[in-house]
Amino acid sequence: RKEVEQDPGPFNVPEGATVAFNCTYSNSASQSFFWYRQDCRKEPKLLMSVYSSGNEDGRFTAQLNRASQYISLLIRDSKLSDSATYLCVVASNAGNNRKLIWGLGTSLAVNP
Amino acid sequence: DAGVIQSPRHEVTEMGQEVTLRCKPISGHNSLFWYRQTMMRGLELLIYFNNNVPIDDSGMPEDRFSAKMPNASFSTLKIQPSEPRDSAVYFCASTRDRAWSNQPQHFGDGTRLSIL
Repeated sequence: RKEVEQDPGPFNVPEGATVAFNCTYSNSASQSFFWYRQDCRKEPKLLMSVYSSGNEDGRFTAQLNRASQYISLLIRDSKLSDSATYLCVVASNAGNNRKLIWGLGTSLAVNP
Repeated sequence: DAGVIQSPRHEVTEMGQEVTLRCKPISGHNSLFWYRQTMMRGLELLIYFNNNVPIDDSGMPEDRFSAKMPNASFSTLKIQPSEPRDSAVYFCASTRDRAWSNQPQHFGDGTRLSIL
């Protein structure tokens, strides 16, 4: 099993739709979680951190489920400009063994 | 404020040649990371530095790869000799302070490397 897994998609949705992605992780000691966005041929950019209690930033909501070891990203009222690849990042910090694992990403295409 | 600056943006060279990629982190950031991204393997962390010291180079694929950070504002990733399988996008990223695993990373534009 991969340490961090994402459905590669692509997810094709119409404008205005609500779409959700999940990301599962295998290391129960993982401590920090992030969602990054990467546009085609561009660098990854932080979208949002994922907090234990869940957090929202405008149309974006991130949640963490430690019991089932996954994080999720919900996008409401999707826009054409949301089309991108969404990367899940999981970090663990156990003593001197620090690891930062990136998922392969989920591709989203929002269509007019 | 200037972001992470990488050079060159594109590099095309023949196998066997030496390749040097350069990175200037954001001023004040103490941690610097080198990544490689391919379609098949996604983003892979090659090495990271904290306060100019290499902390973890377990992701460096083999001895042909080496990285240095002679000062807080400059790092290089060198491949010698280069091989076609090294073709990828190489990103440099930096974060503030040593608690890197809890901090968001700021990426440069990347270097698109093609080895013929």
